[in-house]
Amino acid sequence: AQKITQTQPGMFVQEKEAVTLDCTYDTSDQSYGLFWYKQPSSGEMIFLIYQGSYDEQNATEGRYSLNFQKARKSANLVISASQLGDSAMYFCAMRARIQGAQKLVFGQGTRLTINP
Amino acid sequence: DTGVSQNPRHKITKRGQNVTFRCDPISEHNRLYWYRQTLGQGPEFLTYFQNEAQLEKSRLLSDRFSAERPKGSFSTLEIQRTEQGDSAMYLCASSPPLKGGLGIQYFGAGTRLSVL
Repeated sequence: AQKITQTQPGMFVQEKEAVTLDCTYDTSDQSYGLFWYKQPSSGEMIFLIYQGSYDEQNATEGRYSLNFQKARKSANLVISASQLGDSAMYFCAMRARIQGAQKLVFGQGTRLTINP
Repeated sequence: DTGVSQNPRHKITKRGQNVTFRCDPISEHNRLYWYRQTLGQGPEFLTYFQNEAQLEKSRLLSDRFSAERPKGSFSTLEIQRTEQGDSAMYLCASSPPLKGGLGIQYFGAGTRLSVL
């Protein structure tokens, strides 16, 4: 079974600072994908970044980067130069990359608040 | 290029009534997913369609729940004899074919169901 753990229920950060959101995962699969989504108060889940288990380099997408440490089974999201619009819930998720496996398994999320 | 559309956005119903939600995926996406999200939790997988075929169902999907995707386009999720425990956000997502892609799931804004 797959499991995602996000241990930070809430994070408070000053605008323009960098922030790291923690995510650890548990799986027996050798091939899998890790995802981060942002959920503003409007409810829509917005895809941010993806990391494959065999990717040798950490994924980056603009101000987002994923600190992937496979041996420690962690996939932390780093947001550089935070902005007020970054205030939202953030979810880490994984999907096994095997035939027929489609569902995403999500963590409980971290509520990020950016203070001016 | 429109995203995933869900209607209605909000639904208030009385216990015991039937409700139906609709999801229109991104046009070229052949895969469609339903998730349920309760307050303070991450989304939980309910069911998955590839084209018109329902290929996977979660144990969360009791006999009172039914989902369809006629002609492989839009999908409906029906809940019969609603219970207060059904109160949640119901999220729909779609993704393009996996072959050559990452299978990133793009979500709609959800339908928030309140059962009184």
